[in-house]
Parts: sequence; C-alpha cells; structure tokens
Amino acid sequence: AQKVTQAQTEISVVEKEDVTLDCVYETRDTTYYLFWYKQPPSGELVFLIRRNSFDEQNEISGRYSWNFQKSTSSFNFTITASQVVDSAVYFCALSEISGDMRFGAGTRLTVKP
Amino acid sequence: DVKVTQSSRYLVKRTGEKVFLECVQDMDHENMFWYRQDPGLGLRLIYFSYDVKMKEKGDIPEGYSVSREKKERFSLILESASTNQTSMYLCASSLDNTEAFFGQGTRLTVV
Repeated sequence: AQKVTQAQTEISVVEKEDVTLDCVYETRDTTYYLFWYKQPPSGELVFLIRRNSFDEQNEISGRYSWNFQKSTSSFNFTITASQVVDSAVYFCALSEISGDMRFGAGTRLTVKP
Repeated sequence: DVKVTQSSRYLVKRTGEKVFLECVQDMDHENMFWYRQDPGLGLRLIYFSYDVKMKEKGDIPEGYSVSREKKERFSLILESASTNQTSMYLCASSLDNTEAFFGQGTRLTVV
C-alpha cells in the first residue's frame, strides 16, 4: 500500500513569514494522485489541491504554492506571507488508481501575530 | 453541494457493546471511506469501498467491519467495542480519484 510521510509534526512561525510543509510519498503505481487538505480548529477538512502523477508543473494559488517533484517523491506546500488564519493542521494524501486514499500524520502550523 | 452525513456527532458506549456508525452521501460517489483520527497519527484508513458490497481493508481494520448495501450508505461496525477504539471517526466519499468530501466526524468514547 502507498505511504505518505509528513516529517514535520509542528511548525511555529511569526505572521508574514514564509513556511514550507514537506510531504514525501511512496507508491508502486505509475498513476496516482496527490492532495493537500487543511483542518482548521473547527475540525472540518478543507480540500486545497489535487495533482496527478503526470503533471509536475508547480501550481500557485494566491499565497499558496505547491512543488511536485517525482524524482524525490515529494509534494511540498509553501505558504507565502503567512497569516494567523493559516493556523491549522495540514494533511498530505495520496490516492492510487484503485481510489483508496491514504493520509500523512499531518503538520500542525501555528502562525503567531 | 456534496453532503456527507454521519449519524452521530458524539457517542458514548460501554466496553463490549456492538457499535454502528452510519454514513450517507448524496452525490452518487462510488468511493467511500472510514478513517479514524488520533492526535499525532493523522487519518488512518480503516476500510475503503469502491462499489456496493465491495470493500478493501485499510491500514487498521482489526476490530472493525463495514457494510455497504446501498451506494449512498457506508456503515462502520465495531463488533465488541474496546477502550482503545475511543477516537474521532471520519467518513468520506469521492468520485474516481477526485478529492474526498468528509462528514463532520463522530467522536466515540468507549468506557
């Protein structure tokens, strides 16, 4: 089965700092899908992005950007100019062609004012 | 909007009881999932279903079973609840390999 590793358990930054959340994955499939989700203190999981294994283009959405590198099996997430509202637990996930989705352990980001 | 509804938000059960957690989705998704979330461990997959009556074990299926008799409903069953099954349980559904939509979660306490 696939595996997702988020080595950073907790990160604390001061507002306006940039922060990168790391995600490393393992899979034997050549076709797979990578995801990031945000879980704010309220508890609901919020979908942020989905990439397929054939699309290594980096993506930017406002202050968020994602760097997908198949060579290192990584799908890292950067928040530029962090804000207090970015404080949450962030999860990386991988879905193989069968459809089952597995998550990493999550990184708790705290942004201090 | 896709809606995934879990039958209970909070549940308290006694050790040894049989527990049913119900989940219903309203968007005709093929895939449904049950995860448990524990601090520091993230979301761990218990069972996955890709069609009616079809199921696959996840990473931690021991002590759990599932039922999917209708496409929209996916039930998680704890045959004999134990205190180490105290956790937050999350149901989700998805279409093919698109993003998963999650229910609000059921916080189960086994005493």
